[in-house]
Amino acid sequence: NAGVMQNPRHLVRRRGQEARLRCSPMKGHSHVYWYRQLPEEGLKFMVYLQKENIIDESGMPKERFSAEFPKEGPSILRIQQVVRGDSAAYFCASSPPRGYGYTFGSGTRLTVV
Amino acid sequence: LAKTTQPISMDSYEGQEVNITCSHNNIATNDYITWYQQFPSQGPRFIIQGYKTKVTNEVASLFIPADRKSSTLSLPRVSLSDTAVYYCLVGDGDTGRRALTFGSGTRLQVQP
Repeated sequence: NAGVMQNPRHLVRRRGQEARLRCSPMKGHSHVYWYRQLPEEGLKFMVYLQKENIIDESGMPKERFSAEFPKEGPSILRIQQVVRGDSAAYFCASSPPRGYGYTFGSGTRLTVV
Repeated sequence: LAKTTQPISMDSYEGQEVNITCSHNNIATNDYITWYQQFPSQGPRFIIQGYKTKVTNEVASLFIPADRKSSTLSLPRVSLSDTAVYYCLVGDGDTGRRALTFGSGTRLQVQP
């Protein structure tokens, strides 16, 4: 039973480009969460999705950031027109419909040059 | 969500027992206490969860006093591989808002 799979592990983008981060949840998990972590800081919640629905996006910046979790395929976190301040580790987690069972992926490290 | 306070860093030596205490004065009646471990370049990993008194698993023990305003994560006989950041979280993961709130964590450094 594979864990939460994130790709790519490392992503380098120039300022103004788009970044797409992918997350495949654990088998049987229908809830996906995205977190951002700056160096030496804790994780900050961004968005919580279920299949085809955004449940809570209270931590998502209002501009340039979007997330989706389609009926088929992985969840995608999309950052348009990246800036240096977007450089961070982005972690995805998944959980089953009921109970706690939170599992994190290994993250995608985005570097904006 | 209840705010948590824990030491920024701790140092220990191999073979010692390490106790990390977390304060959560505003914990709600239905809140659980959960600890995560994070190694560099990896996502957080669940260690232990409890509601009251004592919980023990193969990795750690969690002590929660009767008032539940604090909790202590106990790591027996630490090794170098226990060097990591440890996060204390308080909340109910089964409610409508399922996001976790991480503080800055406790950076544990284990020396030989």
